[in-house]
Amino acid sequence: DADVTQTPRNRITKTGKRIMLECSQTKGHDRMYWYRQDPGLGLRLIYYSFDVKDINKGEISDGYSVSRQAQAKFSLSLESAIPNQTALYFCATSGSRGMNTEAFFGQGTRLTVV
Amino acid sequence: GEDVEQSLFLSVREGDSSVINCTYTDSSSTYLYWYKQEPGAGLQLLTYIFSNMDMKQDQRLTVLLNKKDKHLSLRIADTQTGDSAIYFCAEGDNFNKFYFGSGTKLNVKP
Repeated sequence: DADVTQTPRNRITKTGKRIMLECSQTKGHDRMYWYRQDPGLGLRLIYYSFDVKDINKGEISDGYSVSRQAQAKFSLSLESAIPNQTALYFCATSGSRGMNTEAFFGQGTRLTVV
Repeated sequence: GEDVEQSLFLSVREGDSSVINCTYTDSSSTYLYWYKQEPGAGLQLLTYIFSNMDMKQDQRLTVLLNKKDKHLSLRIADTQTGDSAIYFCAEGDNFNKFYFGSGTKLNVKP
């Protein structure tokens, strides 16, 4: 089983609809992140959470919201989807501050807004 | 966020060495990483280097860090067709925030 699981893997939705992307992890990490990937732009940070009560905006948080329901779960919502939110979305986790640690990524959710 | 820059494409022949370059702006970066993304997959860590190191070698991979110029490179020796992927450079700060480059698409020709 994957350590970081994203659902759904693919989704097509209409402009104006609300959509939630879910992420769960079995690594026991405190830190979770949502990124979006666009061709030629790399990964850009949307939101990150260092524990259940600590949620922070990343560089492109407008139009998105998140919820950290538990240490293992971090969901990303688009309240009213628009076509320029069409992208590949990745959830990632990492260990606590001060540790030699990397980010572990889910397989990605491909979202298309039509 | 911090700027991490990479060229977008690199094409090499099988058996040659590949060198993927990256520049970054945050001099306080703690770790610098190289990730590999294969088609339809997430990112997998290839290797990393601590910011007080100059070089790290791991089998076919050699990472060079020039901290003065904020330049990081990844050399893949004896490049194989299975190395074709997108390679991301990333820097991590003291708070475990990660900043990624745009990715370099490596094409290995047989």
